Amino acid sequence: DAGVIQSPRHEVTEMGQEVTLRCKPISGHNSLFWYRQTMMRGLELLIYFNNNVPIDDSGMPEDRFSAKMPNASFSTLKIQPSEPRDSAVYFCASSRQGAQETQYFGPGTRLLVL
Amino acid sequence: AQTVTQSQPEMSVQEAETVTLSCTYDTSESDYYLFWYKQPPSRQMILVIRQEAYKQQNATENRFSVNFQKAAKSFSLKISDSQLGDAAMYFCAYLHGSSNTGKLIFGQGTTLQVKP
Repeated sequence: DAGVIQSPRHEVTEMGQEVTLRCKPISGHNSLFWYRQTMMRGLELLIYFNNNVPIDDSGMPEDRFSAKMPNASFSTLKIQPSEPRDSAVYFCASSRQGAQETQYFGPGTRLLVL
Repeated sequence: AQTVTQSQPEMSVQEAETVTLSCTYDTSESDYYLFWYKQPPSRQMILVIRQEAYKQQNATENRFSVNFQKAAKSFSLKISDSQLGDAAMYFCAYLHGSSNTGKLIFGQGTTLQVKP
């Protein structure tokens, strides 16, 4: 089976630009998670979807961040406008049947905002 | 709030030897899950092993095994017959059993170096 797919793998953009990160979960997985990894804060959960519905977005840092899951096989994380402090590795993960199942991570998107 | 602590920022092991990575956690809950993830230089987060807190038996996965001490809130990872490909950062993670958020709480990570 294909794992979690993320695109792009690397993104370099200038401050103020809109950034869109994409994720395709593992087929058959009902839950999707977006995480951010930085040196200062480690790995943090940004948002969790179950059956395409956002369940917990308390980790989204501010209104500049938004996430959508229009269908079971696709999710986006958008940053608008981007700032240098958003530079990080963004991971998407998916799992079966909800929050207690093992999460499988994608390869991540390394974002650099200049 | 739950916390996960990995007290060893860096560890090294000789190829073919055994190494143990430490992890402690703090929780007042009785139902939870613990994980070890591996992050090689590629940055991919790879699941190594999972342990359910209600299970007394320690989880094993080929050369990887855990020593789960529930009373001590300790969850160490043992890597036997270390290989060069085991070199990576290892993260211990906690998941509340009745959580409806799926929020994995990660430790700070331990970088493992494997010497040939």
